[in-house]
Amino acid sequence: DQQVKQNSPSLSVQEGRISILNCDYTNSMFDYFLWYKKYPAEGPTFLISISSIKDKNEDGRFTVFLNKSAKHLSLHIVPSQPGDSAVYFCAASAIGGATNKLIFGTGTLLAVQP
Amino acid sequence: NAGVTQTPKFRILKIGQSMTLQCAQDMNHNYMYWYRQDPGMGLKLIYYSVGAGITDKGEVPNGYNVSRSTTEDFPLRLELAAPSQTSVYFCASSPERGYTGELFFGEGSRLTVL
Repeated sequence: DQQVKQNSPSLSVQEGRISILNCDYTNSMFDYFLWYKKYPAEGPTFLISISSIKDKNEDGRFTVFLNKSAKHLSLHIVPSQPGDSAVYFCAASAIGGATNKLIFGTGTLLAVQP
Repeated sequence: NAGVTQTPKFRILKIGQSMTLQCAQDMNHNYMYWYRQDPGMGLKLIYYSVGAGITDKGEVPNGYNVSRSTTEDFPLRLELAAPSQTSVYFCASSPERGYTGELFFGEGSRLTVL
């Protein structure tokens, strides 16, 4: 039972264009969502988060959008850079951002072509 | 600061052997976690600890044991290794009030059981 789904295993975009990574969830009790970024041979690093009371959160080139009615969130990267090439995991929690209750998606590999 | 340090980075075990994955953090975080990541899957929580002397099970605790005698260290013990425990293991930590969802991960330990 995959409560957090990233249906696109991979995505390729051109440098300078927009990257859109998608994530769907099934548990309506989730109220806090996060994106993590992972380079090969490294651990994931926190990128950006959003509470369910918001529908958008922006941090520099990264924006996360939350559509609660559709149980869908997306990460937009504008403009995309080659250094953004990594695996991106979305994660969700039903108790605020309780870090012992995070459910992770399977990840999307983003390749930004120069 | 080194952050979260995991050793070893790579290990091959024979079925039935035991070993301990070491994890240490120097950020004075009370919360620590062990995750495993299997190919094509998201990170699954094995065990976590909210402070020295306190541990609790995550989603996939079977076949593992943990202890937390100090704030800094959180070793993961595999008893009677099985091929199903072949995975990449990540240790992580977070500040005391872990409700931001932000975890600080180590670089991972790749374990193969043959």
